[in-house]
Amino acid sequence: DTGVSQNPRHKITKRGQNVTFRCDPISEHNRLYWYRQTLGQGPEFLTYFQNEAQLEKSRLLSDRFSAERPKGSFSTLEIQRTEQGDSAMYLCASQTTSGREQFFGPGTRLTVL
Amino acid sequence: GDSVTQMEGPVTLSEEAFLTINCTYTATGYPSLFWYVQYPGEGLQLLLKATKADDKGSNKGFEATYRKETTSFHLEKGSVQVSDSAVYFCALSDPYSSASKIIFGSGTRLSIRP
Repeated sequence: DTGVSQNPRHKITKRGQNVTFRCDPISEHNRLYWYRQTLGQGPEFLTYFQNEAQLEKSRLLSDRFSAERPKGSFSTLEIQRTEQGDSAMYLCASQTTSGREQFFGPGTRLTVL
Repeated sequence: GDSVTQMEGPVTLSEEAFLTINCTYTATGYPSLFWYVQYPGEGLQLLLKATKADDKGSNKGFEATYRKETTSFHLEKGSVQVSDSAVYFCALSDPYSSASKIIFGSGTRLSIRP
């Protein structure tokens, strides 16, 4: 099964620390999305890439957040100076340009103490 | 902006009961509509989709019909099983926007009693 993978699956950190998550999309999916899901809510869009270009960012993505997709394959999401409000599940999804379905990874659950 | 409103949970039913989870949407264009399911400890999975008015999406005994006149996409199943216990998300996407990002409802937790 070559679905979307995310690492780590769980991350516990102290407030003020930096964290980085990785997403490996389905091969040949040129679109990659990041979403955030807080407890009891649906996922909310954070940002998306078309190949290596980051084309849209949500207002939810403060300047402490940065995402990259350097070679148009895997992507990283970094959160600097984490805050307790950053505690959430971070989901990655991938899609072909012409497709209508996004395929989701299992997510990375972040807990900020 | 575009949005999705779905029935609040939790919903608790007995096995073999009929299920309806209501979902309505607001969109300026002609969105594609989806139901995603999240089983305990697992990631989001696409359950079914419909891309134009009057389309019916179906999968695993679940159905939903794209009703443009009522801007609704209600999820139904005739006879639920314990294994259907999960959180269900109604969602939409504008296929003509550059991002095609998905906008989700807040989710409905479904629990099925044996």
